[in-house]
Amino acid sequence: AQSVAQPEDQVNVAEGNPLTVKCTYSVSGNPYLFWYVQYPNRGLQFLLKYITGDNLVKGSYGFEAEFNKSQTSFHLKKPSALVSDSALYFCAVRDGDTNAGKSTFGDGTTLTVKP
Amino acid sequence: DAGITQSPRHKVTETGTPVTLRCHQTENHRYMYWYRQDPGHGLRLIHYSYGVKDTDKGEVSDGYSVSRSKTEDFLLTLESATSSQTSVYFCAIRRGTNTDTQYFGPGTRLTVL
Repeated sequence: AQSVAQPEDQVNVAEGNPLTVKCTYSVSGNPYLFWYVQYPNRGLQFLLKYITGDNLVKGSYGFEAEFNKSQTSFHLKKPSALVSDSALYFCAVRDGDTNAGKSTFGDGTTLTVKP
Repeated sequence: DAGITQSPRHKVTETGTPVTLRCHQTENHRYMYWYRQDPGHGLRLIHYSYGVKDTDKGEVSDGYSVSRSKTEDFLLTLESATSSQTSVYFCAIRRGTNTDTQYFGPGTRLTVL
């Protein structure tokens, strides 16, 4: 079984400040980890992923995420938040040792960046 | 966008009526998925398909059926809609052989009265 926890329903930051959106996961095999963003009334958009290699992954719109195997975490970060980053963010995990094709998503974290 | 369209985009129906939602892709991807999104529950997998006529259940499949008679179309059917199936439904495709990066359609907002 696999699961994802996003412990914060809401994250508020001021524009220009760094932001972190937290994600922890549980998976029996090799973790494939993803972040997606959803803007109002839109579908989810892929931001970045960790499959293997460097623990620090860089993605779209200046976002990055750090894979920490010992803490089973994959937190999303950005050095300087923009008001336009305000959206709903989802973390997802898949067991990379299977080819079942099923990812499990977290419940989402609403990020609000205030000017 | 990954060439995914969903129809209809909005639908209001009554309890007990059948409803079919359509997902269409233009890129010939093998894997397709149906999710529902509800407040406080994130995204939950209903069914997915790994090829024509090959489908499997997700975590919330009760009350739903799917069909995939050709690569480009994946249909989700609510045989007898209930108010608990009021939700936003997203279709997704998987791009890439192993990495499972998913690309999502624009969604269908379904209201069951």
